[in-house]
Amino acid sequence: DAMVIQNPRYQVTQFGKPVTLSCSQTLNHNVMYWYQQKSSQAPKLLFHYYDKDFNNEADTPDNFQSRRPNTSFCFLDIRSPGLGDTAMYLCATSRTGGAPDEQYFGPGTRLTVT
Amino acid sequence: GQNIDQPTEMTATEGAIVQINCTYQTSGFNGLFWYQQHAGEAPTFLSYNVLDGLEEKGRFSSFLSRSKGYSYLLLKELQMKDSASYLCAVRDSNYQLIWGAGTKLIIKP
Repeated sequence: DAMVIQNPRYQVTQFGKPVTLSCSQTLNHNVMYWYQQKSSQAPKLLFHYYDKDFNNEADTPDNFQSRRPNTSFCFLDIRSPGLGDTAMYLCATSRTGGAPDEQYFGPGTRLTVT
Repeated sequence: GQNIDQPTEMTATEGAIVQINCTYQTSGFNGLFWYQQHAGEAPTFLSYNVLDGLEEKGRFSSFLSRSKGYSYLLLKELQMKDSASYLCAVRDSNYQLIWGAGTKLIIKP
């Protein structure tokens, strides 16, 4: 089945220790998104790629970086995690990003910063 | 600013009907989505409305009124597995998705 895969599902890291979260997709979608979601809150878009074009949200901290080496893979790097970065990180894809296109989500990575 | 409002939590009884409302103020409108999110899991797509009216899909229906900036999700014949959060999201004029915080639906036997 075509899908969005995220690894790891759970990650614990220490304050200030860099961490990388990965996402891969077999849907061959052009657009990939990274969201941060804290408990009982709306998903917050961090950045998205339209193909290789990177789009950073204005309020995404510099601490968060992303790479998309090819169509299938996308990475989220948190250079110096703080306690406030404890959250679920969701990767999503959409075919073109156009109006009717729904987003397909991976299962998420639950990150805990201690 | 852009804003999506949904009730924080609702409770309903198994077998009953529940309506979850969503109001929005966004810069432009290019469609409204409803997603279901079970606790600790990723959101899954339920419905998309871009024109006024009701879209029916099995036990779930979604309604849109663009003039009122209003939508609702109607769930019929509730089952225990419907216990989840339901998120409303609007695509704005820049094709960005603006998300609500979700409505936690609790189903009681």
